[in-house]
Formats: sequence, C-alpha cells, structure tokens
Amino acid sequence: QSVLTQPPSASGTPGQRVTISCSGSTSNIGDNIVNWYQQLPGTAPKLLIYSDNQRPSGVPDRFSGSKSGTSASLAISGLQSEDEADYYCAVWDDSLDCPVFGGGTKLTVL
Amino acid sequence: QLQLQESGPGLVKPSETLSLTCTVSGGSISSNSCYWGWIRQPPGKGLEWIASFCYGANSYYNSSLKSRITISVDTSKNQFSLRLSSVTATDTAVYYCARPTAGVRGGGAWFDPWGRGTLVTVSS
Repeated sequence: QSVLTQPPSASGTPGQRVTISCSGSTSNIGDNIVNWYQQLPGTAPKLLIYSDNQRPSGVPDRFSGSKSGTSASLAISGLQSEDEADYYCAVWDDSLDCPVFGGGTKLTVL
Repeated sequence: QLQLQESGPGLVKPSETLSLTCTVSGGSISSNSCYWGWIRQPPGKGLEWIASFCYGANSYYNSSLKSRITISVDTSKNQFSLRLSSVTATDTAVYYCARPTAGVRGGGAWFDPWGRGTLVTVSS
C-alpha cells in the first residue's frame, strides 16, 4: 500500500481535459515538492512536472501540476492519443526519510 | 546532456547476489551534483525507490532493503554499482538508475534523467 494515493485508472477522449489526483499527508505532500512522471508503454519513466508545477524543457504546456495542502493534481488538457501512459506522483516523506511514489494511474485515451 | 545506462546479468539465481552497473555519460559522477540513485519496478507494478547516495557523502537506503544493499562508485569509469544480496523472486524487476536532481530531503523525489532500465529475473 503506497503512502501516496492515486486512482488506478483515468480516461478521456481526444481534446478533453483530465486530472489525476495524488493524496498524501503533512509529512510528504504537505511539506515537500511534488513531482510527476510519465511512463509510456515499455519505456522508462520520464520527468513530467517538478517542484509542484514546473515543466522541464520540452514538456508541452498541456501538462500542468498543482498542489493544495496534502493533495496534488496533474492536469492534461487537449488530450492526445500519445498521452496514453502510466502517471506517477512522487515526493520526499519526512517521516520515512525517503522518496515515495504513488501507485500510478493508467490513463486511457478513448 | 547527461545520460545513464544500466548493465548487468538478466538472470540471477535465488539466494545469490544481483549486481548492476550504471554508466554515466555527458557529466562527471564526482561533480558537485553528486547524488545518484536506483529505483526498481516489478513487472506490471509501480515504482519502488532503492537508494540515493552522494559520492563521498551521505547515503540513503530503502529501509526494507538496507541490510542487503551495497553501493559502490568507480570514478575512473564514471560508473556506480548496486549489489543486492540474497535475492528472491520478489526482487524480479526492471532496475533503473537515475539522478536525484535536487539531492535528498525536500527535493529528493525529483529524478532526472533516468536510464532505460534493465530487467533482472530471479529464477533457478
């Protein structure tokens, strides 16, 4: 059971906006920066969002991150078929003194 | 551009030691961005952090794996290695090396870049 809770699945049609949630606690999301990773089928995870809401160079602005209290969200607007992937949130946990990952959300583009 | 590449045996017998190497290119392993890390992903499952360490400084290990982990660095080859002893089938996973860009603590879950990963199967 992961310290960070994500919905196991999400879906949307092309062009739609979808959001993926990540719920934690005061010892992780509430106190440290949240990062998001995209894992396309058969590939390594790729940094998608860092420091709560920052996009690395090359990541489209269709992807955005936000955080409020002990929860964070990843939003994808203008959904495209190539966005079909697994998405993971990750944050340092002060109590465990280690980084923790959410269980992952499988995004399906219908 | 910093790149990481994992290498090592794809098959390890139960009770033996898993040994993997991560080769760093495009940057020095002993630079001031000294933290490096290992993460694994069992088939069909999520990501599990193994260790983050700084050459010549602190190391952080997954508490459930700590007693079985050995990390080493070869600066002459710009490589770092993971050894995981007494493996069982539950250690079967794709193993990734990655750089904790912001070190540890607050920003310690910010990993970039990642290697492509290497599948290690534990089986007799």
